[in-house]
Parts: sequence; C-alpha cells; structure tokens
Amino acid sequence: KQEVTQIPAALSVPEGENLVLNCSFTDSAIYNLQWFRQDPGKGLTSLLLIQSSQREQTSGRLNASLDKSSGRSTLYIAASQPGDSATYLCAVRQGRTYKYIFGTGTRLKVLA
Amino acid sequence: NAGVMQNPRHLVRRRGQEARLRCSPVKGHSHVYWYRQLPEEGLKFMVYLQKENIIDESGMPKERFSAEFPKEGPSILRIQQVVRGDSAAYFCASSPDFLQNGNQPQHFGDGTRLSIL
Repeated sequence: KQEVTQIPAALSVPEGENLVLNCSFTDSAIYNLQWFRQDPGKGLTSLLLIQSSQREQTSGRLNASLDKSSGRSTLYIAASQPGDSATYLCAVRQGRTYKYIFGTGTRLKVLA
Repeated sequence: NAGVMQNPRHLVRRRGQEARLRCSPVKGHSHVYWYRQLPEEGLKFMVYLQKENIIDESGMPKERFSAEFPKEGPSILRIQQVVRGDSAAYFCASSPDFLQNGNQPQHFGDGTRLSIL
C-alpha cells in the first residue's frame, strides 16, 4: 500500500532563504508525481508534475527532483518570498491508475 | 475562467440532513475525481467518474455517500443523513481522457467546505 510522507510538517524561514521540502513514498511503481500549493481556504494549484521517466522539472524559482528508486522527491524554492507562504502537498499517481495518493503537506511560512 | 467550478463554497447542514455538492469540470474534460480532506489530514481519494459511469468508488464510505456524473450537467456528490464526522473540505478534480493524456495534471476546484452542526 502506497504511503506518502512529507517532512517537515511545518517550516518558518526568513525572506530570501533557499529551502527544500521533502517527500517520500513507499512504492516506487509510480506513474508521476505532482507538487501542489494550497492556500488557506482555497483549492490546490498544480506547481510541477514529474513523469516517472524524468529526474526533475523547473518552473521559475521552483525546482522539483525525483529519485524513483529511493522513493524520494524534493521541491526546491529559491529566494523565498512572503507570498510563498502556503501548504505544499506532494502527490503520487500509482502505476497506471488515476488516483493520487497525497502526503499531509508542509506548512511553509516565509517571514518578511 | 474555464477551471473546475465547485459550489457551494461553504455548506452548513444539521445532523440528519442531506448535503449535495456540485462540480463542473474544465471544459472538455470527461473525467472527474472527488477527494475529501478532513481537518489536519491529507486529501483522500473518494471516487472517479466518467460521463454516466462510476469507474472506481473504492474510497467512498459504504453507506450514505453517492456520486454521479450525468450526460448533461455537473457531477454531484451526495451525502445523506449527515453526521458530525462528515465535516470536511470536499475537492473535485478533472482531467482529459487518461489513456491519451496520462501525464496531464489533474485540475482542482476550490472545494466545498461542509460543516455539520
């Protein structure tokens, strides 16, 4: 049974810091992995999607890496800003199924 | 804005009443997924539907919960005889046909926050 874990559960950093969010999964037979951002009271915004055959994806200040064999993904945020404050969710799509298995998220607060 | 639309955004019901949550997918998307987010927990898959068909309802509670996606109109998640434990945020997502676009991301709506008094 696939389990997705995100560490740390919460993170508070001063503005301008580079930071890394971690996601681990127990079953490496994934189809893809997606990072989302969730603002309080809002839905999910897709940030990056990494296919199982890819090693990383980049969008602006965000870079996500995937190491399937070790069951890990990291989301790197460069030069963090207060507007980056949100909960970041990692989700894996299992094999050829359509379901996403979500982690419980990392609550990020960037202090001005 | 052609994103996933969910309504209502907030819904308050008393124990024993029925709750109906609606989801209109992205235009052109034929696949709809419902997830539930309990307080302080991650999102859990509930059900996957295509037009007029339930493909996978393995995440749905066995009683009181049902979902449909008719040929015309939005997808509906229906909860009968609600209890306090049903209080949660319910999210809908949609995607194009999986077989052709398996690596397309699922697009999520803003959710319906259900509160049971």
